[in-house]
Amino acid sequence: AQSVTQLGSHVSVSEGALVLLRCNYSSSVPPYLFWYVQYPNQGLQLLLKYTSAATLVKGINGFEAEFKKSETSFHLTKPSAHMSDAAEYFCAVRQNSGGSNYKLTFGKGTLLTVNP
Amino acid sequence: EPEVTQTPSHQVTQMGQEVILRCVPISNHLYFYWYRQILGQKVEFLVSFYNNEISEKSEIFDDQFSVERPDGSNFTLKIRSTKLEDSAMYFCASLLVLNSPLHFGNGTRLTVT
Repeated sequence: AQSVTQLGSHVSVSEGALVLLRCNYSSSVPPYLFWYVQYPNQGLQLLLKYTSAATLVKGINGFEAEFKKSETSFHLTKPSAHMSDAAEYFCAVRQNSGGSNYKLTFGKGTLLTVNP
Repeated sequence: EPEVTQTPSHQVTQMGQEVILRCVPISNHLYFYWYRQILGQKVEFLVSFYNNEISEKSEIFDDQFSVERPDGSNFTLKIRSTKLEDSAMYFCASLLVLNSPLHFGNGTRLTVT
Protein backbone atom coordinates (compact mmCIF):
# COMPACT_ATOMS: atom_id res chain seq x y z
CA ALA A 1 0.00 0.00 0.00
CA GLN A 2 1.20 3.49 -0.72
CA SER A 3 1.43 6.39 1.71
CA VAL A 4 2.59 9.97 1.80
CA THR A 5 4.21 11.95 4.61
CA GLN A 6 4.34 15.72 4.51
CA LEU A 7 6.87 17.12 6.96
CA GLY A 8 5.61 20.28 8.60
CA SER A 9 1.93 21.04 8.89
CA HIS A 10 2.67 24.75 8.69
CA VAL A 11 5.41 26.59 6.80
CA SER A 12 5.82 30.34 6.99
CA VAL A 13 8.03 32.32 4.58
CA SER A 14 8.61 35.94 3.71
CA GLU A 15 7.51 37.31 0.38
CA GLY A 16 10.31 36.75 -2.13
CA ALA A 17 11.87 33.90 -0.14
CA LEU A 18 12.32 30.32 -1.27
CA VAL A 19 9.38 27.99 -0.70
CA LEU A 20 10.20 24.36 0.17
CA LEU A 21 7.40 21.97 1.05
CA ARG A 22 8.52 18.44 1.84
CA CYS A 23 6.88 15.20 0.76
CA ASN A 24 8.11 11.64 1.18
CA TYR A 25 6.27 8.68 -0.25
CA SER A 26 6.09 4.98 0.25
CA SER A 27 5.04 2.76 -2.61
CA SER A 28 5.72 -0.83 -3.55
CA VAL A 29 5.62 -0.05 -7.27
CA PRO A 30 6.75 3.01 -9.26
CA PRO A 31 4.37 5.75 -8.21
CA TYR A 32 2.61 8.62 -9.82
CA LEU A 33 3.04 11.66 -7.58
CA PHE A 34 1.04 14.86 -7.41
CA TRP A 35 0.94 18.20 -5.69
CA TYR A 36 -2.44 19.86 -5.21
CA VAL A 37 -3.19 23.32 -3.84
CA GLN A 38 -6.31 24.34 -1.95
CA TYR A 39 -7.12 28.02 -1.61
CA PRO A 40 -9.61 29.03 1.10
CA ASN A 41 -13.14 27.86 0.34
CA GLN A 42 -12.07 26.25 -2.91
CA GLY A 43 -11.46 22.76 -4.20
CA LEU A 44 -8.21 20.99 -4.89
CA GLN A 45 -6.32 22.27 -7.90
CA LEU A 46 -3.56 20.28 -9.55
CA LEU A 47 -0.20 22.04 -9.38
CA LEU A 48 1.94 19.39 -11.03
CA LYS A 49 2.37 15.67 -11.45
CA TYR A 50 5.15 13.13 -11.91
CA THR A 51 4.36 10.16 -14.12
CA SER A 52 7.76 8.52 -14.63
CA ALA A 53 9.02 10.84 -17.33
CA ALA A 54 11.38 13.70 -16.40
CA THR A 55 12.31 13.72 -12.72
CA LEU A 56 12.09 17.53 -12.49
CA VAL A 57 8.50 18.53 -13.04
CA LYS A 58 7.37 22.08 -13.64
CA GLY A 59 3.88 23.12 -12.65
CA ILE A 60 1.68 26.16 -12.59
CA ASN A 61 2.41 29.42 -10.76
CA GLY A 62 6.19 28.90 -10.88
CA PHE A 63 6.22 25.76 -8.73
CA GLU A 64 8.32 22.73 -9.48
CA ALA A 65 9.08 19.40 -7.83
CA GLU A 66 11.86 16.87 -8.18
CA PHE A 67 11.31 13.13 -7.93
CA LYS A 68 14.21 11.49 -6.09
CA LYS A 69 13.82 7.73 -5.99
CA SER A 70 16.85 7.22 -3.73
CA GLU A 71 15.30 9.51 -1.12
CA THR A 72 11.67 8.54 -1.87
CA SER A 73 10.95 12.25 -1.98
CA PHE A 74 8.95 14.65 -4.11
CA HIS A 75 9.55 18.06 -2.53
CA LEU A 76 7.78 21.14 -3.90
CA THR A 77 9.74 24.33 -4.43
CA LYS A 78 9.29 27.85 -5.69
CA PRO A 79 12.25 30.26 -5.88
CA SER A 80 10.35 33.35 -4.78
CA ALA A 81 7.16 33.30 -2.73
CA HIS A 82 4.28 35.59 -3.58
CA MET A 83 1.47 36.61 -1.26
CA SER A 84 -0.98 34.81 -3.53
CA ASP A 85 0.80 31.49 -2.83
CA ALA A 86 -0.71 31.37 0.66
CA ALA A 87 -2.80 28.19 0.66
CA GLU A 88 -2.78 24.58 1.79
CA TYR A 89 -0.67 22.20 -0.26
CA PHE A 90 -1.26 18.47 -0.51
CA CYS A 91 1.09 15.82 -1.79
CA ALA A 92 -0.59 12.69 -3.17
CA VAL A 93 0.48 9.34 -4.56
CA ARG A 94 -1.28 7.03 -6.96
CA GLN A 95 -0.15 3.48 -7.46
CA ASN A 96 0.93 3.03 -11.07
CA SER A 97 -0.68 -0.36 -11.50
CA GLY A 98 -3.12 0.31 -14.30
CA GLY A 99 -6.71 -0.84 -14.33
CA SER A 100 -9.71 1.33 -13.67
CA ASN A 101 -8.47 2.39 -10.25
CA TYR A 102 -7.34 5.98 -9.75
CA LYS A 103 -7.23 6.11 -6.00
CA LEU A 104 -5.11 8.93 -4.67
CA THR A 105 -3.60 8.73 -1.21
CA PHE A 106 -3.08 12.21 0.21
CA GLY A 107 -0.73 13.59 2.80
CA LYS A 108 -2.05 15.64 5.72
CA GLY A 109 -1.31 18.89 3.97
CA THR A 110 1.01 21.82 4.63
CA LEU A 111 -0.38 25.25 5.24
CA LEU A 112 1.83 27.88 3.61
CA THR A 113 1.67 31.42 4.93
CA VAL A 114 3.53 34.24 3.21
CA ASN A 115 4.51 37.27 5.25
CA PRO A 116 4.92 40.71 3.68
CA GLU B 1 -12.35 25.79 -18.63
CA PRO B 2 -14.95 23.14 -17.68
CA GLU B 3 -15.40 22.60 -13.94
CA VAL B 4 -16.76 20.03 -11.55
CA THR B 5 -19.60 21.71 -9.67
CA GLN B 6 -20.96 20.67 -6.30
CA THR B 7 -24.11 21.73 -4.52
CA PRO B 8 -24.80 22.83 -1.91
CA SER B 9 -21.60 24.44 -0.69
CA HIS B 10 -22.69 23.93 2.91
CA GLN B 11 -25.27 21.51 4.29
CA VAL B 12 -26.36 21.34 7.90
CA THR B 13 -28.37 18.33 9.00
CA GLN B 14 -29.45 16.61 12.18
CA MET B 15 -28.04 13.27 13.24
CA GLY B 16 -30.03 10.41 11.76
CA GLN B 17 -31.25 12.36 8.76
CA GLU B 18 -30.54 11.43 5.17
CA VAL B 19 -28.47 13.77 3.03
CA ILE B 20 -27.73 13.83 -0.67
CA LEU B 21 -24.67 15.64 -1.92
CA ARG B 22 -24.79 16.55 -5.56
CA CYS B 23 -22.08 16.83 -8.15
CA VAL B 24 -22.02 17.62 -11.83
CA PRO B 25 -18.78 16.21 -13.24
CA ILE B 26 -17.15 17.56 -16.38
CA SER B 27 -19.41 16.49 -19.22
CA ASN B 28 -17.20 14.08 -21.18
CA HIS B 29 -15.51 12.52 -18.16
CA LEU B 30 -15.88 8.81 -17.54
CA TYR B 31 -14.58 8.19 -14.01
CA PHE B 32 -16.13 9.70 -10.90
CA TYR B 33 -14.99 9.88 -7.32
CA TRP B 34 -15.92 11.05 -3.86
CA TYR B 35 -13.31 12.04 -1.30
CA ARG B 36 -13.80 13.57 2.11
CA GLN B 37 -11.71 15.69 4.46
CA ILE B 38 -12.54 15.78 8.14
CA LEU B 39 -11.42 19.10 9.62
CA GLY B 40 -7.69 19.04 10.27
CA GLN B 41 -7.20 15.61 8.75
CA LYS B 42 -6.16 14.06 5.45
CA VAL B 43 -8.22 14.02 2.29
CA GLU B 44 -9.51 10.43 2.17
CA PHE B 45 -10.76 8.35 -0.73
CA LEU B 46 -14.35 7.15 -0.37
CA VAL B 47 -15.44 5.60 -3.65
CA SER B 48 -14.77 5.42 -7.38
CA PHE B 49 -17.42 4.89 -10.04
CA TYR B 50 -17.03 3.86 -13.66
CA ASN B 51 -19.37 2.42 -16.26
CA ASN B 52 -22.35 2.83 -13.94
CA GLU B 53 -20.94 0.83 -11.10
CA ILE B 54 -18.65 1.20 -8.12
CA SER B 55 -15.11 0.19 -9.07
CA GLU B 56 -13.60 0.57 -5.62
CA LYS B 57 -14.67 1.74 -2.17
CA SER B 58 -12.82 2.36 1.05
CA GLU B 59 -13.62 0.93 4.47
CA ILE B 60 -15.22 4.28 5.30
CA PHE B 61 -17.84 3.70 2.59
CA ASP B 62 -20.13 1.42 4.59
CA ASP B 63 -23.78 0.53 4.06
CA GLN B 64 -24.85 4.03 5.08
CA PHE B 65 -23.29 5.42 1.92
CA SER B 66 -24.41 5.02 -1.66
CA VAL B 67 -23.63 6.68 -4.97
CA GLU B 68 -25.71 7.10 -8.05
CA ARG B 69 -25.48 8.57 -11.50
CA PRO B 70 -29.19 9.05 -12.10
CA ASP B 71 -28.85 10.73 -15.47
CA GLY B 72 -26.11 11.71 -17.87
CA SER B 73 -24.89 14.65 -15.82
CA ASN B 74 -25.31 14.23 -12.06
CA PHE B 75 -23.33 12.11 -9.64
CA THR B 76 -24.70 11.93 -6.10
CA LEU B 77 -23.49 10.72 -2.73
CA LYS B 78 -26.20 9.72 -0.28
CA ILE B 79 -25.68 9.20 3.42
CA ARG B 80 -28.69 7.32 4.70
CA SER B 81 -28.55 8.10 8.41
CA THR B 82 -25.95 10.72 9.25
CA LYS B 83 -23.72 10.50 12.28
CA LEU B 84 -21.77 13.27 13.99
CA GLU B 85 -18.54 11.82 12.63
CA ASP B 86 -19.79 12.28 9.06
CA SER B 87 -19.18 16.01 9.44
CA ALA B 88 -16.54 16.80 6.85
CA MET B 89 -15.85 18.45 3.54
CA TYR B 90 -16.89 16.14 0.73
CA PHE B 91 -15.16 16.51 -2.62
CA CYS B 92 -16.40 15.16 -5.91
CA ALA B 93 -13.86 14.55 -8.67
CA SER B 94 -13.93 13.36 -12.24
CA LEU B 95 -11.48 12.06 -14.78
CA LEU B 96 -11.56 11.72 -18.54
CA VAL B 97 -9.08 8.87 -18.95
CA LEU B 98 -6.81 7.22 -16.43
CA ASN B 99 -3.66 9.19 -17.23
CA SER B 100 -5.31 12.62 -17.32
CA PRO B 101 -5.57 14.99 -14.35
CA LEU B 102 -8.20 14.42 -11.69
CA HIS B 103 -10.48 17.46 -11.49
CA PHE B 104 -12.00 18.30 -8.12
CA GLY B 105 -15.06 20.34 -7.25
CA ASN B 106 -15.04 23.03 -4.56
CA GLY B 107 -16.57 20.67 -2.04
CA THR B 108 -19.67 20.50 0.13
CA ARG B 109 -19.15 21.15 3.82
CA LEU B 110 -21.46 18.79 5.72
CA THR B 111 -22.20 19.63 9.34
CA VAL B 112 -24.12 17.04 11.36
CA THR B 113 -25.57 18.35 14.61
